Amino acid sequence: EAQVTQNPRYLITVTGKKLTVTCSQNMNHEYMSWYRQDPGLGLRQIYYSMNVEVTDKGDVPEGYKVSRKEKRNFPLILESPSPNQTSLYFCASSSGVEGNTEAFFGQGTRLTVV
Amino acid sequence: GENVEQHPSTLSVQEGDSAVIKCTYSDSASNYFPWYKQELGKRPQLIIDIRSNVGEKKDQRIAVTLNKTAKHFSLHITETQPEDSAVYFCAAMGRTGGFKTIFGAGTRLFVKA
Repeated sequence: EAQVTQNPRYLITVTGKKLTVTCSQNMNHEYMSWYRQDPGLGLRQIYYSMNVEVTDKGDVPEGYKVSRKEKRNFPLILESPSPNQTSLYFCASSSGVEGNTEAFFGQGTRLTVV
Repeated sequence: GENVEQHPSTLSVQEGDSAVIKCTYSDSASNYFPWYKQELGKRPQLIIDIRSNVGEKKDQRIAVTLNKTAKHFSLHITETQPEDSAVYFCAAMGRTGGFKTIFGAGTRLFVKA
């Protein structure tokens, strides 16, 4: 089954404790993205990647890191999480290298930073 | 930076009526405009999309129109049903300074039976 898988689904952590949210897709898609979703603000792109070893900042990259060592995986790293990073996070992938095709979203990760 | 404005933020219609959601984008080089539906507690899913070389696209009860000159695109849902109740997001694929995807803030649609 074609899918985008994120882990974990729920995470509660403390300020400053490094964490990684994993994302994997099995559709051989080039373009992958991370978004955060906050009430009233819609989906805001954090980082995107157009291919292996090619990543670029979205609209809200501060406090986040990503890597794309393999085509299927695109982990999101929070080196020193803060309470304002409490949010619902979605990973997504698209077939076009420029991302201009349907985005398939993961199940979401609800992160709480206390 | 580039942005997408979406209106209204909330829309309530009677079952069987039509619903229209409007978006305006700022990057004139944008060439791809998808619409996503997000039901409560679920992930966003594509319902329809349009490219910049097309003015209108229809899929059963759903249609999207694009006015490139005005940098404006709209979602039209006809004969609304209670299962259409959800949050709808428009998006524009930017091409200036990278290949970001910019989403609107969302419209919460209520369809009253």
